[in-house]
Amino acid sequence: SQQGEEDPQALSIQEGENATMNCSYKTSINNLQWYRQNSGRGLVHLILIRSNEREKHSGRLRVTLDTSKKSSSLLITASRAADTASYFCATDGGSNYQLIWGAGTKLIIKP
Amino acid sequence: KAGVTQTPRYLIKTRGQQVTLSCSPISGHRSVSWYQQTPGQGLQFLFEYFSETQRNKGNFPGRFSGRQFSNSRSEMNVSTLELGDSALYLCASSLATSGVYNEQFFGPGTRLTVL
Repeated sequence: SQQGEEDPQALSIQEGENATMNCSYKTSINNLQWYRQNSGRGLVHLILIRSNEREKHSGRLRVTLDTSKKSSSLLITASRAADTASYFCATDGGSNYQLIWGAGTKLIIKP
Repeated sequence: KAGVTQTPRYLIKTRGQQVTLSCSPISGHRSVSWYQQTPGQGLQFLFEYFSETQRNKGNFPGRFSGRQFSNSRSEMNVSTLELGDSALYLCASSLATSGVYNEQFFGPGTRLTVL
């Protein structure tokens, strides 16, 4: 079963614009992670945010976490063609030794 | 450091056959997880191993099994293949030792097609 739901399912923007994706989950968590998947590089970890953190930055990425609403958002600023990929959130569901994944947001960056 | 490697990369089998997939984690990583990815169900957790012990198992039938060797390499086996087993099987390794899951490093996957 899937823990998270990403919103939107698909997003198409112009290069240089910002992209925002949202993730909602159902149970308490220890941390939430964002991953990117494209055909060239497979599934790659982007950022991890712990349940006691509210915001985290990594380069052009900004992640927020609201545990009271059980939601997270991923912001990619100044998008590039290379950002075209599917983005997934994953949580540990508060339990051990597994990640539970959302359905993903498909992001297309138009040149 | 070499990344996670999976073999074979592509596999075609017929219904009723069995298949074994292999995963070599990043050197030093003792946790190995397996996932099934399909267009309809997305990414589904299969199982996780640490130091040759299965610590968690997802909701898959008993036809799906796995094991981990002393060098942390892992294999998963699917017996009596069904058409619905066609999927991308991903292996991931991690430094995770405690109950909290950390960053996962994924291999390229094995694309299994069942005819």
